[in-house]
Amino acid sequence: KNEVEQSPQNLTAQEGEFITINCSYSVGISALHWLQQHPGGGIVSLFMLSSGKKKHGRLIATINIQEKHSSLHITASHPRDSAVYICAVSESPGANSKLTFGKGITLSVRP
Amino acid sequence: NAGVTQTPKFQVLKTGQSMTLQCAQDMNHEYMSWYRQDPGMGLRLIHYSVGAGITDQGEVPNGYNVSRSTTEDFPLRLLSAAPSQTSVYFCASSRAETQYFGPGTRLLVL
Repeated sequence: KNEVEQSPQNLTAQEGEFITINCSYSVGISALHWLQQHPGGGIVSLFMLSSGKKKHGRLIATINIQEKHSSLHITASHPRDSAVYICAVSESPGANSKLTFGKGITLSVRP
Repeated sequence: NAGVTQTPKFQVLKTGQSMTLQCAQDMNHEYMSWYRQDPGMGLRLIHYSVGAGITDQGEVPNGYNVSRSTTEDFPLRLLSAAPSQTSVYFCASSRAETQYFGPGTRLLVL
């Protein structure tokens, strides 16, 4: 079974700071997902990566397949970025692939 | 599109009671799944379905049943609720490896 580890466990930042959240996994994967969960809210898919880098607004996700590691960067952080960020991996391709999830990182951005 | 919907949003049960958590999606996705989310743990897969009439067990299936009679609906049944089933339950559907999650059902078993 793939072991998905996220670091740091909890993170507090000041508004405007550059934030990096890390994810590592133990077994080769087909794709890695970054998800966001606001307090009391549902879960939203941010990125799905199989290689390289993706950018959406102030969010950037990168993956290094050889090192089994991914990072999620938030530029110019804002209090509305406060949420739990979850990393998940799928080991086989396609929409039917089961996901293994990390425990999530709780990010708090102070104004 | 409503996306993925779940009902109820919150439920309190007594030990031994049974209930069904409803999940529906209007995106014509073949793959649907149920997860539970507990404090300090990642989301864990309970059951999943790759299409109408096909279901399979995930990581933590004990105490739960599912069926998939239509593409749209994927209900999760608790046969005899136990306090260990107190959790937040999320239903999801997927297309092209993108997951769409429902808003969740918070279940408390006393």
